[in-house]
Amino acid sequence: AAGVIQSPRHLIKEKRETATLKCYPIPRHDTVYWYQQGPGQDPQFLISFYEKMQSDKGSIPDRFSAQQFSDYHSELNMSSLELGDSALYFCASSLGRGAYEQYFGPGTRLTVT
Amino acid sequence: QQPVQSPQAVILREGEDAVINCSSSKALYSVHWYRQKHGEAPVFLMILLKGGEQKGHDKISASFNEKKQQSSLYLTASQLSYSGTYFCGTEYSSNTGKLIFGQGTTLQVKP
Repeated sequence: AAGVIQSPRHLIKEKRETATLKCYPIPRHDTVYWYQQGPGQDPQFLISFYEKMQSDKGSIPDRFSAQQFSDYHSELNMSSLELGDSALYFCASSLGRGAYEQYFGPGTRLTVT
Repeated sequence: QQPVQSPQAVILREGEDAVINCSSSKALYSVHWYRQKHGEAPVFLMILLKGGEQKGHDKISASFNEKKQQSSLYLTASQLSYSGTYFCGTEYSSNTGKLIFGQGTTLQVKP
């Protein structure tokens, strides 16, 4: 069965640089979620999209922005990177918004040096 | 607003049972359970909606007590593959899908 695809899998950036993370949801899934997970921590909700519109927002810094495109893939843009942004970034998708099963992608490991 | 999981860690022998609890001080709309192995993505286990239902498949089941705003995950006859960190993700409003995760429960199953 098709799963959520994220690219790149690993990314190394320097402070103050920008990064773009991509997420391709499971086919027919119309909702995408972004989570950030620091070492030894629980996933923190950043932002979600339903039918290409922003659905909900969590603890996402103003330096980050995201969007969902017409083919339902999503991109998370991160600017002025800080050391504290180093984390695993997961994208999850679901068939519908709300109490639906969310399937996580393999994640992008971002390291800021 | 973060749900509280207990215990924080548990060590089992193969074949033993375990219960992981997830409690909220705020009314829940749904609870999602995930298992995550180190460096990997969280894997969906099950979702429970308010209404006190119980779900299960194979040797893993869960319940949702709406009165107590608490969900419990039951692992019976544990296998080595059950090792990992278990997270509950709570949804407080309908139609958002925004999950607030507990701090996680680390489960280690030994032979």
